[in-house]
Amino acid sequence: AQSVTQPDIHITVSEGASLELRCNYSYGATPYLFWYVQSPGQGLQLLLKYFSGDTLVQGIKGFEAEFKRSQSSFNLRKPSVHWSDAAEYFCAVEDTGGFKTIFGAGTRLFVKA
Amino acid sequence: ETGVTQSPTHLIKTRGQQVTLRCSSQSGHNTVSWYQQALGQGPQFIFQYYREEENGRGNFPPRFSGLQFPNYSSELNVNALELDDSALYLCASSLDSGVGEKLFFGSGTQLSVL
Repeated sequence: AQSVTQPDIHITVSEGASLELRCNYSYGATPYLFWYVQSPGQGLQLLLKYFSGDTLVQGIKGFEAEFKRSQSSFNLRKPSVHWSDAAEYFCAVEDTGGFKTIFGAGTRLFVKA
Repeated sequence: ETGVTQSPTHLIKTRGQQVTLRCSSQSGHNTVSWYQQALGQGPQFIFQYYREEENGRGNFPPRFSGLQFPNYSSELNVNALELDDSALYLCASSLDSGVGEKLFFGSGTQLSVL
């Protein structure tokens, strides 16, 4: 069965520092991968998605992610974190049927001044 | 263009009661998915409705049921509430039900079961 693992429950980064959030997936074929962000009391917002092609994907708010098939990873990166980036980040993979998205448990990002 | 709206935002029920949560999908979207997000967890897929028919279901018991209306708004009904049903319930709409469709989420309904 498909699954998503986010190894880090929470991460603290200084404002202006770079960020990398880890994501590993389990999937038999070429996966459809997503990163979502959730601010407190809000729903989820799509940051970026990967379906095929270039393995480095650009998203909104200055985020990017790199798909590495050999490592079954889809890590999210940002060169310089802003205080407003503090939120919960979810990696997700779409199920083979196309109607279900499977989410990881999330990584809470804290940004310190 | 209005986004996905859910009502109510918060709800408190007691064990054994029934609850109905509502979702208005984004304009032009014909597909609605419901997710349950327990505290400290990622969202778990409950089911999806496409053009008023259930299109897929996650690992939830039959006491979780849904409806989608001709205007593509949707309801989630939960019968015989249990304490473990306490969670944030998220509705997401998409333009279609195909592979790779972008999900647009509402802000959710926080359900507390006492």
